[in-house]
Amino acid sequence: AQTVTQSQPEMSVQEAETVTLSCTYDTSESDYYLFWYKQPPSRQMILVIRQEAYKQQNATENRFSVNFQKAAKSFSLKISDSQLGDAAMYFCAYRTGGDDKIIFGKGTRLHILP
Amino acid sequence: NAGVTQTPKFQVLKTGQSMTLQCAQDMNHEYMSWYRQDPGMGLRLIHYSVGAGITDQGEVPNGYNVSRSTTEDFPLRLLSAAPSQTSVYFCASSYAPSTGSRQYFGPGTRLTVT
Repeated sequence: AQTVTQSQPEMSVQEAETVTLSCTYDTSESDYYLFWYKQPPSRQMILVIRQEAYKQQNATENRFSVNFQKAAKSFSLKISDSQLGDAAMYFCAYRTGGDDKIIFGKGTRLHILP
Repeated sequence: NAGVTQTPKFQVLKTGQSMTLQCAQDMNHEYMSWYRQDPGMGLRLIHYSVGAGITDQGEVPNGYNVSRSTTEDFPLRLLSAAPSQTSVYFCASSYAPSTGSRQYFGPGTRLTVT
């Protein structure tokens, strides 16, 4: 069965610094999609970034980028120039085209220190 | 375009009561799902649907029922509420899994069972 593991329940970073959140997954599929979602205190789930497994190029969205290592089944999120508004819970998620279930990690709570 | 709407936002129930959490989307998405979020547990899939008239169980289906009579609506029924069902509930929708589509989430319902 597919699993998603986020090994860091909580992290802290100084404002303006860079932080990396880790995510590993287990699958026997070759075609799948990976996501990072952000959940601020408002509780709203916000898509941060999406990666297609068949693409070797790492996805980027402004200050957010991923390091996708398919062979290692690793999908870490890098946040550059951290801002106070980045404080949130971050969830890594996995889905395949052939399975209807989407698997979420347990989340990493990120604190931004002013 | 309202996206995914959920009602109510907050609810308090007594043990044994029943209720329905409403979810609707206006994006013509085939796939809809219900999650519960508990501290330290991430998002766990309760039930999902790949189209009108088709539903299936997720990871934690016990105590919950769903139906999908239209593409737009996917209500979640609690048959006899228990304190263990105290949680935050999210409804989400997306295009079919084969597209690798991101999910769109509703604002969540905080349910307390006393």
